[in-house]
Amino acid sequence: LAKTTQPVSMDSYEGQEVNITCSHNNIATNDYITWYQQFPSQGPRFIIQGYKTKVTNEVASLFIPADRKSSTLSLPRVSLSDTAVYYCLLRGGNTGKLIFGQGTTLQVKP
Amino acid sequence: NAGVTQTPKFQVLKTGQSMTLQCAQDMNHEYMSWYRQDPGMGLRLIHYSVGAGITDQGEVPNGYNVSRSTTEDFPLRLLSAAPSQTSVYFCASSYGTGGRETQYFGPGTRLLVL
Repeated sequence: LAKTTQPVSMDSYEGQEVNITCSHNNIATNDYITWYQQFPSQGPRFIIQGYKTKVTNEVASLFIPADRKSSTLSLPRVSLSDTAVYYCLLRGGNTGKLIFGQGTTLQVKP
Repeated sequence: NAGVTQTPKFQVLKTGQSMTLQCAQDMNHEYMSWYRQDPGMGLRLIHYSVGAGITDQGEVPNGYNVSRSTTEDFPLRLLSAAPSQTSVYFCASSYGTGGRETQYFGPGTRLLVL
């Protein structure tokens, strides 16, 4: 499975836009890029998923360049409740394996 | 739907004891997985199942057994608990394994091995 690399931590302030970039140089043709969010003492929760270009939902946007070697999760106007760990994962093929990296700890300050 | 449920929420074991962590889902998902998460760390895959009767190992399978006799249930057995197995255990399920499938996670079981 291809490896992903993310910043270990990021700080932001309420109301700002936050962009978290994930590198995946060895992404496979059939890999989808998926982001999960995890709050303390809870299981991860799906945020957004994409294959190429841009995907947007009610929570976030996901930008994927043409070469797909990286992706950027964009959280608009963050609030204190967005403080969490964010994981970037690649998922593809007929396997049940979903390998998590260390994730990015986002701290939103007032 | 209850989604993915796990029991117990919290358990204390002594070294050498065995126990089973329960996981159930009511979404008719084919795929189920077990992860452990140590403090300040990401999730590590223990075992997973692609359907009833089929299981396979993940990253850290040693010391754990699984079975999948029904679609709904995927119990995780600790054969002889060790302090190194102190962790939070998460169960997850998804409809399929194709790249677009979303995994749903349970609330977790906190295990302390003394």
